Amino acid sequence: AQRVTQPEKLLSVFKGAPVELKCNYSYSGSPELFWYVQYSRQRLQLLLRHISRESIKGFTADLNKGETSFHLKKPFAQEEDSAMYYCAGGTSYGKLTFGQGTILTVHP
Amino acid sequence: DGGITQSPKYLFRKEGQNVTLSCEQNLNHDAMYWYRQDPGQGLRLIYYSQIVNDFQKGDIAEGYSVSREKKESFPLTVTSAQKNPTAFYLCASSMVQGPAFFGPGTRLTVL
Repeated sequence: AQRVTQPEKLLSVFKGAPVELKCNYSYSGSPELFWYVQYSRQRLQLLLRHISRESIKGFTADLNKGETSFHLKKPFAQEEDSAMYYCAGGTSYGKLTFGQGTILTVHP
Repeated sequence: DGGITQSPKYLFRKEGQNVTLSCEQNLNHDAMYWYRQDPGQGLRLIYYSQIVNDFQKGDIAEGYSVSREKKESFPLTVTSAQKNPTAFYLCASSMVQGPAFFGPGTRLTVL
């Protein structure tokens, strides 16, 4: 069965500290992997996808097939990064399996 | 992402009633999706449609029904058979090979 796991429900860091949101997946075949973000009072939006290998708002995510992980990282967290983050995977872009989500709080 | 609208924003239902949630998109996307969001459980796929007049069950389709008569519209009906319908419902759309864009959501509460 397809499964995406985010082991941390809550993550707190101070401004300027590095942050890493963990994501592990279990899939048959080669899934597409994504990070979505939901800021307060805003709709869910795509942050990163693994095939693009880009950096968005200072965030990067590397697919590690050996560890079946797709952790989201940022070297220096900002207060505006506080949000709910979802890792998701699937074989097509919209038919996704989501993790449980991690609430990131960046303290001043 | 402003191309997907959902209505109403809040919906209250009495037990035993069916209710229909609206989802419209003007992005010319072929595929549309319905997800349910519950605290601590992430999003779970209810139904999806990749083409007009065709749709497929997702992981938690029981107690729900959909239709796709027009490319831009994908309404979701929550029937009285759904045992625990109180949740936040999200609609999304995408091209077949493109990222999914989400609507603002509808919060359904059963009284």
